[in-house]
Amino acid sequence: DIQMTQSPSSVSASVGDRITITCRASQAVSSWLAWYQQKPGKAPNLLIYAASSLQSGVPSRFSGSGSGTDFTLTISSLQPEDFATYYCQQADSFPLTFGGGTKVEIK
Amino acid sequence: EVQVLESGGGLVQPGGSLRLSCTASGFTFSIYAMTWVRQAPGKGLEWVSTVSTSGGGTYNADSVKGRFTISRDNSKNTLYLQMNSLRAEDTAVYYCAKGSGRQQPLDYWGQGTLVTVSS
Repeated sequence: DIQMTQSPSSVSASVGDRITITCRASQAVSSWLAWYQQKPGKAPNLLIYAASSLQSGVPSRFSGSGSGTDFTLTISSLQPEDFATYYCQQADSFPLTFGGGTKVEIK
Repeated sequence: EVQVLESGGGLVQPGGSLRLSCTASGFTFSIYAMTWVRQAPGKGLEWVSTVSTSGGGTYNADSVKGRFTISRDNSKNTLYLQMNSLRAEDTAVYYCAKGSGRQQPLDYWGQGTLVTVSS
């Protein structure tokens, strides 16, 4: 199974900050990586797929990059509605696996 | 508008069974694979099962293999998860998602249904 490791596990930031979350796969997954945002008590919401493609309706302040084993999710200017938990997911092969999550908290 | 809506969750004793359903609307159900993902209380996301468009291909996590069966009825736009031999560690919110998750994103998720396995 492909293990997905996210860092940091949590980050405290202020509105307007730029933050970067990293995700590392235990083996190469090409560009088959997705990012999801989850708010408390809600379902996950797709942000990025194929490592860098922005899902329709997602604000352009979100961006993704990377290939192979190392990926990043960047929020260019944090907004109040962005405080949430973010998960990466490898989409290369079954079993699908998710990272452990990164909680973005208000400083 | 794409919508997926889960139902069927509840409290069940260890060793018991439960069937979850997920009704879909707003897209052509029969041309998309569908997936179940679960989330234990306070924990991260865990993939459970994926079914192909026809239902002929299924993929399952090792943690549920031999106990859970994913299926679909394209005439009813409905996805199912039959869960047998339930264990305490199966307690989670179960989400239905459109897509296979493999080389295809999980682009729409339901609100989830809670399954609690406890005596």
